[in-house]
Amino acid sequence: DIQMTQSPSSLSASVGDRVTITCRASQSISIYLNWYQQKPGKAPKLLIYAASSLQGGVPSRFSGSGSGTDFTLTVSSLQPEDFATYYCHQTYSRPWTFGQGTKVEIK
Amino acid sequence: EVQLVESGGGLVQPGGSLRLSCAASGFTFSGYWMSWVRQAPGKGLEWVANINQDGGEKYYVDSVKGRFTISRDNAKNSLYLQMSSLRAEDTAVYYCARVEVSSSWLGHDYWGQGTLVTVSS
Repeated sequence: DIQMTQSPSSLSASVGDRVTITCRASQSISIYLNWYQQKPGKAPKLLIYAASSLQGGVPSRFSGSGSGTDFTLTVSSLQPEDFATYYCHQTYSRPWTFGQGTKVEIK
Repeated sequence: EVQLVESGGGLVQPGGSLRLSCAASGFTFSGYWMSWVRQAPGKGLEWVANINQDGGEKYYVDSVKGRFTISRDNAKNSLYLQMSSLRAEDTAVYYCARVEVSSSWLGHDYWGQGTLVTVSS
């Protein structure tokens, strides 16, 4: 199975901060990497697909990069509605696996 | 508007069975792979199973193989998860999710609101 490791597991940031979350795969997954945002009690929401493509309706302050084993999700200027948990997710091979999540909290 | 609505969750004893349903609308259900993804209380996301458009291909995470069965009824625009021999560690919110398959990416683009399954005596 492909292990997905996110870092950090949590972070505290202020509104307006630039935030970067990293995700590392235990083997190459090409660009079969998606990012999701989840708020408490809600379903995950797709932000980024194929490592760097922005899902329709998602603000442009979100961006993704990477290929192979190393990926990043960046929020260029954190907004109040961005405080949530973020997950990376590989669909290169089954079983499809998720990172453990990164909780972004208000400083 | 794409909508996925899960139902069928509840409290079940260890060793028991439960059948989850997901009603799909707003898209051509028969044209998409579908998945079940679960989330234990306070934990991360875990992909459970998925099924292709006509139900001929099914895949499962090892921890549910032989106990869970994913199926679909395209005439009813519905996805199912039959769960048996349930264990405490199966306690989770179960999400139904649509799978987008294209030349450039593969993943879950729409999710339901989830249904809670609690396995406890």
